[in-house]
Amino acid sequence: ILNVEQSPQSLHVQEGDSTNFTCSFPSSNFYALHWYRWETAKSPEALFVMTLNGDEKKKGQISATLNTKEGYSYLYIKGSQPEDSATYLCAFPSGNTGKLIFGQGTTLQVKP
Amino acid sequence: NAGVMQNPRHLVRRRGQEARLRCSPMKGHSHVYWYRQLPEEGLKFMVYLQKENIIDESGMPKERFSAEFPKEGPSILRIQQVVRGDSAAYFCASSPGQGATGNTIYFGEGSWLTVV
Repeated sequence: ILNVEQSPQSLHVQEGDSTNFTCSFPSSNFYALHWYRWETAKSPEALFVMTLNGDEKKKGQISATLNTKEGYSYLYIKGSQPEDSATYLCAFPSGNTGKLIFGQGTTLQVKP
Repeated sequence: NAGVMQNPRHLVRRRGQEARLRCSPMKGHSHVYWYRQLPEEGLKFMVYLQKENIIDESGMPKERFSAEFPKEGPSILRIQQVVRGDSAAYFCASSPGQGATGNTIYFGEGSWLTVV
């Protein structure tokens, strides 16, 4: 059974703080690693799809890195804003289809 | 380009009734996925379809649940004889190709089913 684990489960930071969280996944049979941002009552928003070991992707103040050999990805948020408050999910394809196995997410709360 | 459209957004059904949830993928996307979020749980895969074909239904409950993605029209997730335990948020997603090969998978806003 594939397991995707995220830590921490929740995080409370002050506006302007930088923060990061971790996604751990099986390092064998790697295809891709997806990151999503999910606000309550909205659709999960695709942030990144990472496929290559050593990949680093950036979108505004959010960036992510990937280590497929050791099975982890980091998501960084530089200078958090209250609007960054959301649950951040990572997901790992099971097999060679699009069946994504999701982690439980890291819920970020940014206080003004 | 409109996103993944789901309807209804909210649906209330009595025990024993049928629930039909519809999903229109993004334009140009031929791959559709259904996920379910039970209360206090994360997103769980249910089924993966391409036009007229079920590719992977390993996450579908064995009974009462079915899904289709016809040549024309939206994908439908059908739940027969609903029970209270079916109350959940059902999310549809679509992609232009397989998500495993690096294609972004886009999600709809979900359909909330409440069984009373």
